[in-house]
Amino acid sequence: SYELTQPPSVSVSPGQTARITCSGDGLPKKYAFWYQQKSGQAPVLVMYEDNKRPSGIPERFSGSNSGTMATLTVSGAQVEDEADYYCYSTDSRGNHRVFGGGTKLTVL
Amino acid sequence: EVQLVESGGGLVKPGGSLRLSCAASGFTFSSYAMNWVRQAPGKGLEWVSSITASGSYIYYADSVKGRFTISRDNAKNSLYLELNSLRADDTALYYCARDFIVGFYFDYWGQGTPVTVSS
Repeated sequence: SYELTQPPSVSVSPGQTARITCSGDGLPKKYAFWYQQKSGQAPVLVMYEDNKRPSGIPERFSGSNSGTMATLTVSGAQVEDEADYYCYSTDSRGNHRVFGGGTKLTVL
Repeated sequence: EVQLVESGGGLVKPGGSLRLSCAASGFTFSSYAMNWVRQAPGKGLEWVSSITASGSYIYYADSVKGRFTISRDNAKNSLYLELNSLRADDTALYYCARDFIVGFYFDYWGQGTPVTVSS
């Protein structure tokens, strides 16, 4: 079955650039999406179709998808960006959807 | 304002059943595919099931296929998930999530309803 693999944790100091990766054999043919989940809250979409930011998401969030790896980049990470981040992808008909295992981003 | 409010969670014994509901408001419910996503305590997100806007097509994760049933009532703006033959590893917070209108990803989420399977 299709899987997406993320590092369990990433840690940066405030103002540094955080890069969260997501690898999967199917990614060259699929879009990647990213969700942010803060403690005790529902997930929030922060990136869709590889590199598009939803309204209201700060410009410091950007995304890319190349080869078998998608990357969420937080340029100049802020303390409020501390959260779990999940990559997500699906096949072309939406009948097989998968999340990565999640990455805990620590900013301190 | 889009709102998704789940209900129906609770404590159930292994092998038992439960029916979850999701009340939708603030959008034309009958135009959107809907989903259930769950999150076990301290674990990651897991897609559970999807249903198209009309209810014509339904999909399940392998982990719940044959045990869970998704359905919807567009007249009542409601989404449902029937959980049967419950196991301890079904213990999770169950989220209702709306699909983006022209894409297979989740643009709005509810706050979740907890399901605990324990004897």
